Amino acid sequence: DIVMTQSPDSLTVSLGERATINCKSSQSVLYSSNNKNYLAWYQQKPGQPPKLLIYWASTRESGVPDRFSGSGSGTDFTLTISSLQAEDVAVYYCQQYYNFPPTFGPGTKVDIK
Amino acid sequence: ELQLVESGGGLVQPGGSLRLSCAASGFTFSSYWMSWARQAPGKGLEWVASIKQDGSEKYYVDSVKGRFTISRDNAKSSLYLQMNSLRAEDTAVYYCARGQSSVGSRLLDYWGQGTLVTVSS
Repeated sequence: DIVMTQSPDSLTVSLGERATINCKSSQSVLYSSNNKNYLAWYQQKPGQPPKLLIYWASTRESGVPDRFSGSGSGTDFTLTISSLQAEDVAVYYCQQYYNFPPTFGPGTKVDIK
Repeated sequence: ELQLVESGGGLVQPGGSLRLSCAASGFTFSSYWMSWARQAPGKGLEWVASIKQDGSEKYYVDSVKGRFTISRDNAKSSLYLQMNSLRAEDTAVYYCARGQSSVGSRLLDYWGQGTLVTVSS
């Protein structure tokens, strides 16, 4: 199974400041035949189900604000919130969908300073 | 409006069985892979099982193989998870989720609100 790790475990950022979350996979999730990274990011607010934010490592899901961006390739990925808003308080998970079983990182909790 | 509504959770003794259901609406259910995922209290997310549009392919996480069975009824736009030989470590909120159309089974683009399963004596 592909093991996903995230850093940091938690993050406290001032309103309007940048938040950066890192994700690493135990093996590459870049599929050579289509040059796509099979990496997604989800947001889970307290008491709610996860919400898909980004897939293919950098493609925003419809309706997701453009302050959320994803980058990286191969085994190292980053989710950036360019200007943190109060409604962004949540736990963020990365997930690989390169193969079965799809696996998630342990999550990064983002809070307001 | 797209909706996934889970039901069937509850308290069950170790070794017992439970059947979860997920009623889908707002999209063409028969055109999508569907999955179950779970989240133990205060813990992270874990994919549990996926089923192809016509039910011809099914995949499970190793920890539930031989104990859980995923199924679907496209005529009723419903997804099911039969859970047998339940263990304390199966205690979690179980989510029904839709597979994203361009990727299929392993990318989950919409999740229901979840149903809590508690395995305890």
